[in-house]
Amino acid sequence: SYELTQPLSVSVALGQTARVTCGGDNIGRKNVHWYQQKPGQAPVLVIYRDNNRPSGIPERFSGSNSGNTATLTISRVQVGDEADYYCQVWASSTGVFGGGTKVTVL
Amino acid sequence: QVTLRESGPALVKPTQTLTLTCSFSGFSLTTSGMCVSWIRQPPGKALEWLALISWDDDKYYSTSLKTRLTISKDTSKNQVVLTMTNMDPVDTASYYCARISSGGGAGMEHDYWGQGTLVTVSS
Repeated sequence: SYELTQPLSVSVALGQTARVTCGGDNIGRKNVHWYQQKPGQAPVLVIYRDNNRPSGIPERFSGSNSGNTATLTISRVQVGDEADYYCQVWASSTGVFGGGTKVTVL
Repeated sequence: QVTLRESGPALVKPTQTLTLTCSFSGFSLTTSGMCVSWIRQPPGKALEWLALISWDDDKYYSTSLKTRLTISKDTSKNQVVLTMTNMDPVDTASYYCARISSGGGAGMEHDYWGQGTLVTVSS
């Protein structure tokens, strides 16, 4: 079965850039979606189809996808960006989520 | 606006069957491209996709849980129902339903989510 690998945690200084990676076999050939989840809340879509932002998501959130790695980039990180982030793809008609990355703002 | 809400028992006993209902508004599951997924999250752990049903009644299941899951829809009530048999304490989790509006296309992102419902499996 297809697997997605994310780092457990990423720490970033306030105002700097955070990068969260999502590794998978030839993931560059798939559409990757990213979700933000804050404690006690449901996930929220922040990037879809590799690099598209839903309405209401700040331009500070961006995505890229190539080869075996997809990346979520959060520029000018704010305290409110502290959350868990999950990547997701479809493989063989089944949904697959990464293990999640906790982004901590220092 | 689009809303989804999960409902079902908060507590089930081991070996019992869990039935969860996702009630939604703001869209119709008869519209081409619309789908609803079920996703769960054990406390402190990652999201796990469970099942999907599409506007044209296609159904897809997690490979590891396929034998225990059944997903169905009632378009007249705007509801999607998930049943999971033979519940075990490891199935304790928050269960979410989420909408996909681009089914059949390239994306299939979950664009709207319910608030989730916590199900505890314990005797």
